[in-house]
Amino acid sequence: DTGVSQDPRHKITKRGQNVTFRCDPISEHNRLYWYRQTLGQGPEFLTYFQNEAQLEKSRLLSDRFSAERPKGSFSTLEIQRTEQGDSAMYLCAAWSGGEQYFGPGTRLTVT
Amino acid sequence: GNSVTQMEGPVTLSEEAFLTINCTYTATGYPSLFWYVQYPGEGLQLLLKATKADDKGSNKGFEATYRKETTSFHLEKGSVQVSDSAVYFCALSEGQGAQKLVFGQGTRLTINP
Repeated sequence: DTGVSQDPRHKITKRGQNVTFRCDPISEHNRLYWYRQTLGQGPEFLTYFQNEAQLEKSRLLSDRFSAERPKGSFSTLEIQRTEQGDSAMYLCAAWSGGEQYFGPGTRLTVT
Repeated sequence: GNSVTQMEGPVTLSEEAFLTINCTYTATGYPSLFWYVQYPGEGLQLLLKATKADDKGSNKGFEATYRKETTSFHLEKGSVQVSDSAVYFCALSEGQGAQKLVFGQGTRLTINP
């Protein structure tokens, strides 16, 4: 158990719909990261938070993507107007002691 | 930008064989280096890490040495088991503050009994 949970584990949606994912790290993790992993590839960085502040966003994060961490604990990642190319595993990770601990991920399928 | 290149897979070995998965990196500065493992149906788990040149990370019989002169961090294990079947990712951390990870494409390892 890495102490990072994600919800839902699987999401199937139709193109054009909005989806929201949630990540819950244990309270001691002040840095939280989002990554995206497509089939057969390694995870790619999307964004990260230091407490509630979003400090960096990748160019992969288009205007349809938004992430929040309102109280510096859980975080949400929203995708608006989903496209088939958004189909991927979305991973959340929390940083502690020089290491990142990953959650199980949310697998998104856009039909 | 920074990047990680891994040995292409899939790799198939017999139990008790010697394993090497090659990993080389391109980076500015002095990143930390990591190997993560993803077992079937599970999330990414940190296998081992090294934070500076000549450091050796080790865990569960796996080892990797941070070689600055060859910009490499090859993963080795002397005698693999069926339970080692998984996808292995080499990664580096970049950004003084961010410490975000840059991953290789992964190497799928299958061990046959």
